[in-house]
Amino acid sequence: GEDVEQSLFLSVREGDSSVINCTYTDSSSTYLYWYKQEPGAGLQLLTYIFSNMDMKQDQRLTVLLNKKDKHLSLRIADTQTGDSAIYFCAVSYSSASKIIFGSGTRLSIRP
Amino acid sequence: KAGVTQTPRYLIKTRGQQVTLSCSPISGHRSVSWYQQTPGQGLQFLFEYFSETQRNKGNFPGRFSGRQFSNSRSEMNVSTLELGDSALYLCASRSHRTSGGYEQYFGPGTRLTVT
Repeated sequence: GEDVEQSLFLSVREGDSSVINCTYTDSSSTYLYWYKQEPGAGLQLLTYIFSNMDMKQDQRLTVLLNKKDKHLSLRIADTQTGDSAIYFCAVSYSSASKIIFGSGTRLSIRP
Repeated sequence: KAGVTQTPRYLIKTRGQQVTLSCSPISGHRSVSWYQQTPGQGLQFLFEYFSETQRNKGNFPGRFSGRQFSNSRSEMNVSTLELGDSALYLCASRSHRTSGGYEQYFGPGTRLTVT
């Protein structure tokens, strides 16, 4: 069935790069997303990638997709305290109707 | 453009009662989806509405229902509330599929507490 997995926690030093990893099981996933959730808030769409792409860069964010291994990663360059949040990896299919979310990775920043 | 709005933001109900949550999508978006977020189960898809019709449904009991109006606003109803229904209910909107429609934008959520 559909499953998206990510590690629960990541701690990085301010100014370093953060890399959040995700694996998914369904190879027919068409759209792959990264969402950010800050305390008490909804989900903010950070970026997305189509399954026919390998990489997407958007300012400090770089998404890498390894379709063979069903592995998605999000790299945040020059991590700042404002990047502290929970990051959700998510996938959907051609209809983009239903999104399957991972459990979220809590990113904490050390001074 | 205004984002997705949800009302109310917080709600406390008693077991056995029913509740209605409201969602107004981004202007021009015709699709509205609902998700439930709990610490134990994470984010789970409830259903999606497009042009007043339910297009997709998640694995939730019939106590969870929804509808969409002609102006694309959507409501979600939960009847006979149980303690386990306590959650953050998130609404998301997207544009029509023919113009992309793969980006779902979420509202701030309604925090429902059942006592």
